[in-house]
Amino acid sequence: KAGVTQTPRYLIKTRGQQVTLSCSPISGHRSVSWYQQTPGQGLQFLFEYFSETQRNKGNFPGRFSGRQFSNSRSEMNVSTLELGDSALYLCASRSTELRNTIYFGEGSWLTVV
Amino acid sequence: GQQLNQSPQSMFIQEGEDVSMNCTSSSIFNTWLWYKQDPGEGPVLLIALYKAGELTSNGRLTAQFGITRKDSFLNISASIPSDVGIYFCAGQLTNMNYGGSQGNLIFGKGTKLSVKP
Repeated sequence: KAGVTQTPRYLIKTRGQQVTLSCSPISGHRSVSWYQQTPGQGLQFLFEYFSETQRNKGNFPGRFSGRQFSNSRSEMNVSTLELGDSALYLCASRSTELRNTIYFGEGSWLTVV
Repeated sequence: GQQLNQSPQSMFIQEGEDVSMNCTSSSIFNTWLWYKQDPGEGPVLLIALYKAGELTSNGRLTAQFGITRKDSFLNISASIPSDVGIYFCAGQLTNMNYGGSQGNLIFGKGTKLSVKP
C-alpha cells in the first residue's frame, strides 16, 4: 500500500508569510503527527491528530497549527514565518493495529528567506 | 524536556566492518525505534522494539531494548556502502491523557555513518 505522502516537497517563502503543508497518511491509519527537523535541534515533535482531534502538542509557538480531516488527511500551517522556521517538516502516520509503529513521509523542505 | 543521548555522533568505517551505536535516556520508554535517514528523505523505520530485553534482527541489523527500558543499541554487521546515512534512535512516550496510548517520539541526535569501500 502507498506510504505517507507529503506535499509540496520543496517550497520557498518570504519572512512574514504563511505556509500550509499537506499530508496523506497510509491508508487505514488514523493517527497523523508532525515533526520539525533542523540541523541544530534535530527532530522535534510538533503535534499529533487522531480522528480529527489534536491529542498531543509539542513545545512550539502558536504560529504552528494543524488540523485533520475526516479522511485522516492532515495539514499544518505556520503563520508569520521567521527565518528560523526553515526546516524539513515530516509527517508520520501510525497504525493502531501494528503495535502503533510510526512511519514517516519524505518531508516538505521549507526555506524562509 | 526529555532527551536521548545517542553515540557515537559519527563513524567512518571500512566496508565489511561491524558497527555499533547506542542510545541512553534518563526516562523509561515503552517502545524503542531505530530509523535510517538518507539525504533529502524522511526517516525509514529499521527495527521496532516493544519489550524490555527484546532482541530483534532485520537482515544484517540487530537491535536490543535494554532491560532497564532506558537504553537501546543497534548493530550492523558486515557493513556495505549503501549503509551510509544517518541513524536515529527514538523512544516512544506514553500519552497518559488518552488512556496510556502510545504518544510521540523523542529522537536522538543521530549517528552519521560513512563507509569506505
